[in-house]
Amino acid sequence: GESVGLHLPTLSVQEGDNSIINCAYSNSASDYFIWYKQESGKGPQFIIDIRSNMDKRQGQRVTVLLNKTVKHLSLQIAATQPGDSAVYFCAENWGPRGQNFVFGPGTRLSVLP
Amino acid sequence: EAGVAQSPRYKIIEKRQSVAFWCNPISGHATLYWYQQILGQGPKLLIQFQNNGVVDDSQLPKDRFSAERLKGVDSTLKIQPAKLEDSAVYLCASSLDQVGETQYFGPGTRLLVL
Repeated sequence: GESVGLHLPTLSVQEGDNSIINCAYSNSASDYFIWYKQESGKGPQFIIDIRSNMDKRQGQRVTVLLNKTVKHLSLQIAATQPGDSAVYFCAENWGPRGQNFVFGPGTRLSVLP
Repeated sequence: EAGVAQSPRYKIIEKRQSVAFWCNPISGHATLYWYQQILGQGPKLLIQFQNNGVVDDSQLPKDRFSAERLKGVDSTLKIQPAKLEDSAVYLCASSLDQVGETQYFGPGTRLLVL
């Protein structure tokens, strides 16, 4: 079936630098995308979302970019902090009732001091 | 606002035994989800409820897994009998209204099948 995928399983960045986590999705019918952060021993935590009628959305220190032409989603974290170290998942959602919800495999972000 | 509650947090059983997990969603949330997360992978959706009705259970291995949401609030997920490959974290999530809206996750139940 169609699924979301992440190409970089591990990303290491220096504290204070910006991080970019990428995600490729294959279902052109997906109309809602979400980024989650998961720390060890915890459930995924919502970070930011974007609907398919937008190409950019900003939150506090985070920006999500959506490129529907190439089916690509990215999460940008500004001024990365040690507390940002976690696994990040993108997820896509589609269906007439929004009932199809698929997570990607995740990218581990390590923030170096 | 209290988050999604799950219990137990950890469970160790032998294969062929039965196990049940409990979830209490955020108060007022109509939609409830159960996910299976195998180590090193993203969560995989097993079943979705809206109130006490099943929206989608196409990914639920129905020969051994069952779930219910009586009265449209709490939910239980059961595995009977368990297999080694069922070892995973079982996550419960809820969302306010429609399927497809932002989901809030509980801490999960870590299951180890020996």
